[in-house]
Amino acid sequence: AQKVTQAQTEISVVEKEDVTLDCVYETRDTTYYLFWYKQPPSGELVFLIRRNSFDEQNEISGRYSWNFQKSTSSFNFTITASQVVDSAVYFCALSVTIKAAGNKLTFGGGTRVLVKP
Amino acid sequence: ETGVTQTPRHLVMGMTNKKSLKCEQHLGHNAMYWYKQSAKKPLELMFVYSLEERVENNSVPSRFSPECPNSSHLFLHLHTLQPEDSALYLCASSQPTGTLLGNEQFFGPGTRLTVL
Repeated sequence: AQKVTQAQTEISVVEKEDVTLDCVYETRDTTYYLFWYKQPPSGELVFLIRRNSFDEQNEISGRYSWNFQKSTSSFNFTITASQVVDSAVYFCALSVTIKAAGNKLTFGGGTRVLVKP
Repeated sequence: ETGVTQTPRHLVMGMTNKKSLKCEQHLGHNAMYWYKQSAKKPLELMFVYSLEERVENNSVPSRFSPECPNSSHLFLHLHTLQPEDSALYLCASSQPTGTLLGNEQFFGPGTRLTVL
């Protein structure tokens, strides 16, 4: 069974501060993907970043960066120079295949980020 | 047209009613999903359809009945629901991945369901 844990339930920062969101996952699959999604107040989940289990290279995409460490089963996500529009709930998710068709996302509980002006 | 649309956006129903949620995707994807998001639980996968065939039924009670008439449309038929079924129901779509697990899922805005 898969499990994703986001220990932080809520983080509050002042604009321009950096925010790091923690994610720890469990799976017995050797091939999987990890995602971060953002859910603004409108409700729609928005895809942010993706990393596969064979690529531990950490990257930066604009103000987003991530730190994937397979040895500790962690996939942390950082927003640099936060803005008020970054206020949302952020979900970490683990994807495994289902019978070679479609993929199954297991989500963490989410971390609510509040960026104050 | 936005990628994934859901109707209605809000629904209030009694426990004896029958209603349906509709999802439509305009992205040319072949896999569609239903998720439930309630206040006290993480997002839960309910059903997966790939190429119009149901490939996952995540131990969902029979009072929820999905239907996928074609690759662009997905329905969730509801009957004799309970108050604890009140939640945000999200639809998503993606390309079927086979051994490629990385295709992200695109989500609709959800239907906020309240069962009285």
